[in-house]
Amino acid sequence: DAGVIQSPRHEVTEMGQEVTLRCKPISGHDYLFWYRQTMMRGLELLIYFNNNVPIDDSGMPEDRFSAKMPNASFSTLKIQPSEPRDSAVYFCASSLGLQGGTEAFFGQGTRLTVV
Amino acid sequence: AQTVTQSQPEMSVQEAETVTLSCTYDTSESDYYLFWYKQPPSRQMILVIRQEAYKQQNATENRFSVNFQKAAKSFSLKISDSQLGDAAMYFCAFTSGTYKYIFGTGTRLKVLA
Repeated sequence: DAGVIQSPRHEVTEMGQEVTLRCKPISGHDYLFWYRQTMMRGLELLIYFNNNVPIDDSGMPEDRFSAKMPNASFSTLKIQPSEPRDSAVYFCASSLGLQGGTEAFFGQGTRLTVV
Repeated sequence: AQTVTQSQPEMSVQEAETVTLSCTYDTSESDYYLFWYKQPPSRQMILVIRQEAYKQQNATENRFSVNFQKAAKSFSLKISDSQLGDAAMYFCAFTSGTYKYIFGTGTRLKVLA
């Protein structure tokens, strides 16, 4: 398996524009996570899905952020409208259940810059 | 809410020496797992070591070992014989049946030649 695949790797957009980040989890993994990484706050869990169903979105900062998982092999994180404070690295991760301390496998991240 | 605290934003170690990175967590759960992840400049998150809370024995992986103190809710990472390739951000993480992969703010490790 190629691992967790995120696209794009880098995204530069203007304030007010819509941004969509994409993620393909590892095949067979039933959990998918979206994180945001900043210097100040480290890795923040935004939302996670189990079997394509959102379980906990309490980390989503505000209504401008939304995430979907239409099927087991694809998820999106959308920011509309984007703001400069949304600039960060966004990671997607997947794991095979949560039994036995299964590790979360991460994608390469998307560096988002909002100007 | 569960929290993971890494109080050392940055650490330095001389090549071939030993360094310990600190992590504390807060939880009321009895069954959970703890991890250390390494993030080199490539941004890729790499699992370094994991610890099951029900195991008293500290986990070890080659030059990496942990000091798990369950009562104190402490989970430190010791890197022995530090190498230049160990330079990275290190994140401590907690996961349980209820709380999924909560991460600390990270510690940047510099290895001095």
